[in-house]
Amino acid sequence: KNEVEQSPQNLTAQEGEFITINCSYSVGISALHWLQQHPGGGIVSLFMLSSGKKKHGRLIATINIQEKHSSLHITASHPRDSAVYICASSGAGSYQLTFGKGTKLSVIP
Amino acid sequence: DTEVTQTPKHLVMGMTNKKSLKCEQHMGHRAMYWYKQKAKKPPELMFVYSYEKLSINESVPSRFSPECPNSSLLNLHLHALQPEDSALYLCASSQDRSQGGYGYTFGSGTRLTVV
Repeated sequence: KNEVEQSPQNLTAQEGEFITINCSYSVGISALHWLQQHPGGGIVSLFMLSSGKKKHGRLIATINIQEKHSSLHITASHPRDSAVYICASSGAGSYQLTFGKGTKLSVIP
Repeated sequence: DTEVTQTPKHLVMGMTNKKSLKCEQHMGHRAMYWYKQKAKKPPELMFVYSYEKLSINESVPSRFSPECPNSSLLNLHLHALQPEDSALYLCASSQDRSQGGYGYTFGSGTRLTVV
């Protein structure tokens, strides 16, 4: 059974800081998802990765398949980035996402 | 259109009421999902529809009844719910359940309160 661990659980940053959230998983997967959820809101899919690196605006996601590890980076953080960031994995031939417990990010002006 | 649309956004219902949640996508996705999310917890999978057929029911009580009228629509019918069923109900879709979640897209959810 795959387990997904995220760190840190909570993160407070000053506006403009570079932020890194880490995710590790225990078994081979077909894809790793990074999701964002604002308080009381729905979930937005930020990235789906199977290898390498993806960038969208100020967000960068990387994955190292050999080390079973992924990172989400936010450059020049802004208060509107304050949200819960969730890492989730999916296996080959599987419909099911295995979710991490999430990282609550607060960016202070 | 790259969205999953859920209605209503908020719903308050009594324990004897019957209500329905609606989910719609026009991305041609053939897998659709219902998740339940309690506060400060990750989503829990409830149902999976693949090509309009129910493929997974994660031991969900019968007071929750899913329906997939066509490839774009997914409903969740609610009857005789309990206060502990209050949660955020999320719909999601993906291209195909066998592709490891390619194109996984979530809706913004229905916030359900059972009184």
